[in-house]
Amino acid sequence: NAGVTQTPKFRVLKTGQSMTLLCAQDMNHEYMYWYRQDPGMGLRLIHYSVGEGTTAKGEVPDGYNVSRLKKQNFLLGLESAAPSQTSVYFCASKLDHYEQYFGPGTRLTVT
Amino acid sequence: AQSVTQPDIHITVSEGASLELRCNYSYGATPYLFWYVQSPGQGLQLLLKYFSGDTLVQGIKGFEAEFKRSQSSFNLRKPSVHWSDAAEYFCAVGAFAGAGNMLTFGGGTRLMVKP
Repeated sequence: NAGVTQTPKFRVLKTGQSMTLLCAQDMNHEYMYWYRQDPGMGLRLIHYSVGEGTTAKGEVPDGYNVSRLKKQNFLLGLESAAPSQTSVYFCASKLDHYEQYFGPGTRLTVT
Repeated sequence: AQSVTQPDIHITVSEGASLELRCNYSYGATPYLFWYVQSPGQGLQLLLKYFSGDTLVQGIKGFEAEFKRSQSSFNLRKPSVHWSDAAEYFCAVGAFAGAGNMLTFGGGTRLMVKP
């Protein structure tokens, strides 16, 4: 039981490049979330999903897209990376009303 | 909309001393409340949670927190801090209803422990 995994762990992009971050969970959780963490701002919700095939916007969705084609995977895409998207990205999942379980994070730098 | 405030950005305590980290929330109904800990370079680990019932909740690693509805607070405490407790601590509030059962996080408190 690996819990929540994220790939890659680190990535450096040039402005304008695109990439996809993968989140996978093996706990059969319905809900999945993508956050970004910036110093002094805690975690801010980018997008979330309440089940396979569904996605919704969170607090800071601009510049990001997501997909949840399979229940266990939640993908976060950056179509045209900007320096403002330099951050640490965390994925989380949960079952119904219980606590969220977090992945180890992806550190992204956009130059 | 719900919100969480952690007034202390940094706290330094001596090893063996007691600790209290403050958390104030804003939410119109009964919230559910969490404390998470993040060690450097790691993800977030749940310390404890409050859903209902006894307002004093026990968590892992010797931590406890008390829900005070009248003060809209959920402060985290530990009677004797260990050097390994140095980390960043996040308070979060969620709702039983609403789209996505989302959590709102505070800005975090970074704890440093002096030997």
